Amino acid sequence: AQSVTQLGSHVSVSEGALVLLRCNYSSSVPPYLFWYVQYPNQGLQLLLKYTTGATLVKGINGFEAEFKKSETSFHLTKPSAHMSDAAEYFCAVTGSGNTGKLIFGQGTTLQVKP
Amino acid sequence: EAGVAQSPRYKIIEKRQSVAFWCNPISGHATLYWYQQILGQGPKLLIQFQNNGVVDDSQLPKDRFSAERLKGVDSTLKIQPAKLEDSAVYLCASSLETSSSGNTIYFGEGSWLTVV
Repeated sequence: AQSVTQLGSHVSVSEGALVLLRCNYSSSVPPYLFWYVQYPNQGLQLLLKYTTGATLVKGINGFEAEFKKSETSFHLTKPSAHMSDAAEYFCAVTGSGNTGKLIFGQGTTLQVKP
Repeated sequence: EAGVAQSPRYKIIEKRQSVAFWCNPISGHATLYWYQQILGQGPKLLIQFQNNGVVDDSQLPKDRFSAERLKGVDSTLKIQPAKLEDSAVYLCASSLETSSSGNTIYFGEGSWLTVV
């Protein structure tokens, strides 16, 4: 069985500060990991994903995440927050060989203060 | 490239009434998903289709929810009769194949249901 835990339902940062959103997963098979962003009243948009290969993954809007197998983590970072980054962020996991359905965490709301 | 289309965007119904949501996936995408997102929670898979066959409906409340994907393209999700706890956003998504190969799942903007 697979599961995702996002530490912190709300994260608040100042504009220009580092963004760090935490995600830990549990998977009995090699995981594929995803970060999605959801703006108010919109669907989910893919930020980045890890499948195989390089463990540091770069995504859109300056975000990146690092897959750390030993820590079962896939934390999302951005060096400098922008006001437009305010949104809800979801970490998700699926596994090779399964049906491909995504298991989502409960989400982290990012607030960016001016 | 057109994205995943959903309608209606918003729906308010009384409990015990019925409602239907429609989804048109991205052209050429074989896999279609319906997710339920309750306020404050992450999306939860209700049903997954591969072409017009059901791959996973283990979390679909089959006593009140039904879904079909005729001809392997458009899909309809129906709730009858609705309960208060069905108030949620219903997200349709599609991918070229199943994500077991790492394919990206693309989401529509969602259909917001309020049951009063």
